[in-house]
Amino acid sequence: GAVVSQHPSRVICKSGTSVKIECRSLDFQATTMFWYRQFPKQSLMLMATSNEGSKATYEQGVEKDKFLINHASLTLSTLTVTSAHPEDSSFYICSASPGAGEAFFGQGTRLTVV
Amino acid sequence: GQQVMQIPQYQHVQEGEDFTTYCNSSTTLSNIQWYKQRPGGHPVFLIQLVKSGEVKKQKRLTFQFGEAKKNSSLHITATQTTDVGTYFCAVSGAGSYQLTFGKGTKLSVIP
Repeated sequence: GAVVSQHPSRVICKSGTSVKIECRSLDFQATTMFWYRQFPKQSLMLMATSNEGSKATYEQGVEKDKFLINHASLTLSTLTVTSAHPEDSSFYICSASPGAGEAFFGQGTRLTVV
Repeated sequence: GQQVMQIPQYQHVQEGEDFTTYCNSSTTLSNIQWYKQRPGGHPVFLIQLVKSGEVKKQKRLTFQFGEAKKNSSLHITATQTTDVGTYFCAVSGAGSYQLTFGKGTKLSVIP
């Protein structure tokens, strides 16, 4: 099946620094990718829709200047958490679909801000 | 956007017992998907239901889509410890790749 690779799987950073997370579709092209955030014991909350070649679409309540999304190619989307704070600590996960139907998820990135 | 309610939030069963999780929507759904997320892992696609009244089986898992396409269920027969995880339903708009997830049902299986 289709493969989505997310990197890094874990990252610890200091408050005030920025962290970049990459999401790659390895065997298909994805004009659209999705970024989710998942708090412990909770569901996946859609943060934004990443659109290749255009601006990302952010969900209500998600700060676009804090969570920068770039989708420069058909196989790569990046999420940069800028000026990270401890409350940004969470599990971030991306997904993409080769077509309408099932979504394939990256392995997720566990971010800890200290 | 579309919303879907999923119950129960948690379910603890003895190994060998059955398990069911339900998803309900106030609006008619174009389709519904089910995912499983193991502890510490990422969601993995299980199945997609599209047709009214559809029933699909995967070994011990039975998936149903209601006649009105407003509800769905996932039933596991004779649970095993490998079934442990959180099961999510997810819905999308017609022709859209964007998914809205239910809150999930966390299944614990007691050996």
